[in-house]
Amino acid sequence: NAGVTQTPKFQVLKTGQSMTLQCAQDMNHNSMYWYRQDPGMGLRLIYYSASEGTTDKGEVPNGYNVSRLNKREFSLRLESAAPSQTSVYFCASSEAQGLVTDTQYFGPGTRLTVL
Amino acid sequence: AQSVSQHNHHVILSEAASLELGCNYSYGGTVNLFWYVQYPGQHLQLLLKYFSGDPLVKGIKGFEAEFIKSKFSFNLRKPSVQWSDTAEYFCAVRRSNDYKLSFGAGTTVTVRA
Repeated sequence: NAGVTQTPKFQVLKTGQSMTLQCAQDMNHNSMYWYRQDPGMGLRLIYYSASEGTTDKGEVPNGYNVSRLNKREFSLRLESAAPSQTSVYFCASSEAQGLVTDTQYFGPGTRLTVL
Repeated sequence: AQSVSQHNHHVILSEAASLELGCNYSYGGTVNLFWYVQYPGQHLQLLLKYFSGDPLVKGIKGFEAEFIKSKFSFNLRKPSVQWSDTAEYFCAVRRSNDYKLSFGAGTTVTVRA
C-alpha cells in the first residue's frame, strides 16, 4: 500500500494564479484532512472531510476550497494564490472521525511558494 | 480553546544521550494523545499514541511517552539517541469526542555524532 500520496511535491506560483493540490489514499479510510505547516506554528487544519460527500472548514479555511472527489481522493484548490499561502501542505486520512482510536496518517507534503 | 505546548524549540544532543521532550495541553476533559516525527524532507510519521489504559506507552524506534493526567502532560522519552533520530517532533492532542487534532509547534532535535 502506498498510504497517502500527494501531487505535486513542489510548486511555485505567482500571486493571483490558481492551482489544485491532489491527495489520494489507498487505506479505505473514510475521513481526510488538509493541513498547512508553517515554521514555529505546527500544523493547522484547513479543511476536512468526515466522509465521502461531506466537507467542513477547519481553523484556517480562507483562500482555499476543497473537493472530496470520491472515497479515495480529496483535493485542495487555491483560487487566487497569495504570498501568505506559501507553506508546506499535508494531506492526511483516518479510518473514521468519531472512532475512539481514530489515528491520522500523513502524506509526503507539497511545498508551495507564492511569489 | 485547546492548546498544545511543546517547551523546547530546539534540542541538541550527542549520540547515546537521553532525550526527553515536554508536551502539555490545556484541555481538562478526556483526551487522545499522539507523538509524530518528521525526518528531514519527509512526511509526518506516527511514533506512538495513547487512548486509554497504561499511561506509559511504547512506540517505534525505542521511543516511549508517559501520560500524567494530573499534570496535563505527555512527555516523550528515549534512553539513548542515535544520529538518525535527528528530526522534528510534534505532539498532538484530540478531545476524545472530537475530530480536531491540535498540534504543538514542534521541537527540532539535532543529534551530533
